[in-house]
Amino acid sequence: AQSVTQLDSHVSVSEGTPVLLRCNYSSSYSPSLFWYVQHPNKGLQLLLKYTSAATLVKGINGFEAEFKKSETSFHLTKPSAHMSDAAEYFCVHRAHSGGYNKLIFGAGTRLAVHP
Amino acid sequence: GAGVSQTPSNKVTEKGKYVELRCDPISGHTALYWYRQSLGQGPEFLIYFQGTGAADDSGLPNDRFFAVRPEGSVSTLKIQRTERGDSAVYLCASSLSNQPQHFGDGTRLSIL
Repeated sequence: AQSVTQLDSHVSVSEGTPVLLRCNYSSSYSPSLFWYVQHPNKGLQLLLKYTSAATLVKGINGFEAEFKKSETSFHLTKPSAHMSDAAEYFCVHRAHSGGYNKLIFGAGTRLAVHP
Repeated sequence: GAGVSQTPSNKVTEKGKYVELRCDPISGHTALYWYRQSLGQGPEFLIYFQGTGAADDSGLPNDRFFAVRPEGSVSTLKIQRTERGDSAVYLCASSLSNQPQHFGDGTRLSIL
């Protein structure tokens, strides 16, 4: 069965320092993986997606993620955190079921950014 | 253009009551999904529509939950005999075929 595990429930960084949010996946197939961000009382916004093309995926707002099959990981990074990055981040796996996008979400990582 | 719209944004009701939550997908999106997000957790899949039909309702927790999409556009999630455990944010998403899903802001449901 497909699943994702987000290794940190909370991450706290200072503004201007790097961000690392960790995600491991489990899949019987070549996975389709996503990172979504959720700001308070807002819906989910797609940051980036991996669909078996380049292993380093660039997303919006300076975020990127690297797919590492040997480590079954898809960690999200950003070189320099901004106050506006404070939000909940979800690592997401697309379940291959009937050819449609059934998404399986991790439990989320809450990112706090301090001045 | 307009995104996915969900109404109401907040709903407070008493245990045992019936509620309806509405989702207006992005125009032209054939696929529509409902998810439930409980406090401190990631969203969990409830049901998927392709056009008017529910192609997968395996995530609905029990028979008190039902969803329709009669004309292949707007969808309504219906909950009968609500329980306090139904309190959550209900998210709707739409997409074109296998493209990434676009989410609405959700309906925060509180059962007293």
